[in-house]
Amino acid sequence: GDSVTQTEGQVALSEEDFLTIHCNYSASGYPTLFWYVQYPGEGPQLLFRASRDKEKGSSRGFEATYDKGTTSFHLRKASVQESDSAVYYCALSDRGSNNRIFFGDGTQLVVKP
Amino acid sequence: EAAVTQSPRNKVAVTGGKVTLSCNQTNNHNNMYWYRQDTGHGLRLIHYSYGAGSTEKGDIPDGYKASRPSQENFSLILELATPSQTSVYFCASGDAGTDYAEQFFGPGTRLTVL
Repeated sequence: GDSVTQTEGQVALSEEDFLTIHCNYSASGYPTLFWYVQYPGEGPQLLFRASRDKEKGSSRGFEATYDKGTTSFHLRKASVQESDSAVYYCALSDRGSNNRIFFGDGTQLVVKP
Repeated sequence: EAAVTQSPRNKVAVTGGKVTLSCNQTNNHNNMYWYRQDTGHGLRLIHYSYGAGSTEKGDIPDGYKASRPSQENFSLILELATPSQTSVYFCASGDAGTDYAEQFFGPGTRLTVL
């Protein structure tokens, strides 16, 4: 079945550090890939998505590129800020899944000033 | 104004009691979802619905029922609450008519079962 794997459970960085959160997926079809962000006390919200191989999604300085060959959608940011501290979820939706979204386990990002 | 709201925001229940969590959306979306969030497990789907009158089982439906009486409202019911159901519950809505399946989440309900 469809699934998403995030390698890092927690990432601790200092401000201006480079961020990478690894995401790999498994899907039977050609899925749409997402990154969601969840700030403390709130529900998850869409950060960005990508629907085609080699498509880059981006928002707020974060970016990820859809790589069908390696089944990956790694999240990157060149210079993190304390305000980026949140939980980040990689997710996928397959057209055959009736608009269900399959979420990874999430990565807690802590950025220290 | 918030498009997906949940009530209550916090709830303390006793083991064996009945708990109802409510969700309302003003997005006019057909699809609605209930998830629970636990450390180390991310978001797990409990029940979902394609429209008024429909409910479907998600990945972890045992111990939960759902009700969708209208387009706007979707409830999660714990008939006999247990301490293992202590968690944060999120409701979400999504548009069935799009190629991509973005979901819009409510702020969550923190449930503690003693």
